[in-house]
Amino acid sequence: IAGITQAPTSQILAAGRRMTLRCTQDMRHNAMYWYRQDLGLGLRLIHYSNTAGTTGKGEVPDGYSVSRANTDDFPLTLASAVPSQTSVYFCASSDSRASYNEQFFGPGTRLTVL
Amino acid sequence: QKEVEQDPGPLSVPEGAIVSLNCTYSNSAFQYFMWYRQYSRKGPELLMYTYSSGNKEDGRFTAQVDKSSKYISLFIRDSQPSDSATYLCAMSGETSGSRLTFGEGTQLTVNP
Repeated sequence: IAGITQAPTSQILAAGRRMTLRCTQDMRHNAMYWYRQDLGLGLRLIHYSNTAGTTGKGEVPDGYSVSRANTDDFPLTLASAVPSQTSVYFCASSDSRASYNEQFFGPGTRLTVL
Repeated sequence: QKEVEQDPGPLSVPEGAIVSLNCTYSNSAFQYFMWYRQYSRKGPELLMYTYSSGNKEDGRFTAQVDKSSKYISLFIRDSQPSDSATYLCAMSGETSGSRLTFGEGTQLTVNP
């Protein structure tokens, strides 16, 4: 593994179903983030984690939950998917102790909720 | 009002043109200014960053920050078809670990 991996690459999901998007990084970064990217709205932060064992809410957290059991993994769960959660989801990580917060992004997961 | 405003374009230019991409912002606490490049169906990648006001040059790319006007720019000289991508500005505060606030991105196409 080099950098950040996300799975699945894409998914079509029925409304009301539960879904977990996976994210793994091998850079030993302390901070991790989940964004959604929508046309006309750009990248919006869903949840973040500054270190293993802690999480925080971003700009659009409703309907999503996260956990950070260890440094490398940061899964995002949709408990009961709705069509408005159709989007491209990006996971990112950074060493937030560095002089500037360069974030490294995964390849994204394209999610369609029908 | 959004903290960061970016013209979404799309912007289409001929090969060799000079491209100017711009963002304005409202939060005077922003100190780090970044430009990310995102190719189609890929994740964003950091292209350049600057701290506080001033210019920074890297090859054909120049990043410019004017904190007095709350305005940042990215200039691309001698644009190439390989520069075709979406460019996102991003900003953060002084505090270590400050989260990034992104503009919505400008889609650029350089035509050969």
